[in-house]
Amino acid sequence: EAQVTQNPRYLITVTGKKLTVTCSQNMNHEYMSWYRQDPGLGLRQIYYSMNVEVTDKGDVPEGYKVSRKEKRNFPLILESPSPNQTSLYFCASSLSGTWGEKLFFGSGTQLSVL
Amino acid sequence: GQQVMQIPQYQHVQEGEDFTTYCNSSTTLSNIQWYKQRPGGHPVFLIQLVKSGEVKKQKRLTFQFGEAKKNSSLHITATQTTDVGTYFCAGYSGAGSYQLTFGKGTKLSVIP
Repeated sequence: EAQVTQNPRYLITVTGKKLTVTCSQNMNHEYMSWYRQDPGLGLRQIYYSMNVEVTDKGDVPEGYKVSRKEKRNFPLILESPSPNQTSLYFCASSLSGTWGEKLFFGSGTQLSVL
Repeated sequence: GQQVMQIPQYQHVQEGEDFTTYCNSSTTLSNIQWYKQRPGGHPVFLIQLVKSGEVKKQKRLTFQFGEAKKNSSLHITATQTTDVGTYFCAGYSGAGSYQLTFGKGTKLSVIP
């Protein structure tokens, strides 16, 4: 089944403790992206990747890192999480990222930073 | 940068009533997409509009793209409880653009 898999589904952590949220897709998509969703603010893009070793900042990249060493994986790294990064995070992918392609979203990761 | 505004933010309707959400862009869009997010779920692609003035239908859902390609709407006829969720519009500002900008969404509640 074609899908985008995120882990974990829920995560509670404390300020400053490094964490990684994993994202994997099995559709051979070149384009992958991370979004955060906050009440009243909709979906905001954090980082995106057009292909292996190619990443770029979205609208809200501060406090986040990403890497794209393999085509299927696009982990999101919070090296020193803070409470304002408490949010619902979605990974998404599409074939090549150009206009006209639909995004496939993962099931989401609810992160709470205490 | 490009902004996509969506109204209303919330809408409560009685089951059987119609519902419309509107999307407006600060710039001309090359296309617009609509997604639905069920409560507790993730956004799922519904449809894409590309042509100026385009109208597409999916059963009780009607999607329109404005003549100037700066606005769009989603209309649901005779809502059902299965329509509950948040509807997002999202647009690309130009061919080859890698930035899909989302509206903030309209959260629809349907009262049985």
